[in-house]
Amino acid sequence: EVQLLESGGGLVQPGGSLKLSCAASGFTFSDYAMTWVRQAPGKGLEWVSGISANTWGTYYADFVRGRFTISRDNSENTLSLQLNSLTVDDTAIYYCARGRPRSLSISSWGQGTLVTVSS
Amino acid sequence: QSALTQPASVSASPGQSITISCTGISTNLSNSQYVSWYQQHPGKAPKVIISDVTDRPSGVSTRFSGSKSGNTASLTISVLQADDEAYYYCSSYTSTSTLGFGGGTKLTVL
Repeated sequence: EVQLLESGGGLVQPGGSLKLSCAASGFTFSDYAMTWVRQAPGKGLEWVSGISANTWGTYYADFVRGRFTISRDNSENTLSLQLNSLTVDDTAIYYCARGRPRSLSISSWGQGTLVTVSS
Repeated sequence: QSALTQPASVSASPGQSITISCTGISTNLSNSQYVSWYQQHPGKAPKVIISDVTDRPSGVSTRFSGSKSGNTASLTISVLQADDEAYYYCSSYTSTSTLGFGGGTKLTVL
């Protein structure tokens, strides 16, 4: 069974940083692209970032503007998202999601971790 | 602004069928084989119900089906049940390696 367990969310002040992690199990992690999707309170789903299976390709939504960095450790089956220069508009549940071997098209979702940016 | 547009809401009675459309705005669905649909109940994570335009993942009811014509994809739910009441989102993986989402459709089972 595919399992994706996010961690690292919490309360942070505007301008602050946070690192999200996603522990993957139940599949060969290094075979799949991975992605982060967020959902602001009461709003829809919004793609944030993705990374290819072999780590060579990293991709970001326009609103990230160099503030976030996606990475993965295929030896530890872990996906990460470093969030810097956070604003109140970044408040959301951040979901880790498994893609496909050659695309970010989502095949499984994690349960999400809440990031709250507030002073 | 979402890359894909969906109706904000649809409603129908149990036993009826509904179709939710998803039309490309900044994404041309005509060229995409990676159109997916997700179901999300309040307070829960999304769940994949349709992938690659028409494929149902293992365990998803056959009452859910997907299709595409030109720049518009569609999700059809037949024989509506109370538990189908949820939000439904479409997405498309683009040639520029980005993932676009629709704004979501709230399905109300009357």
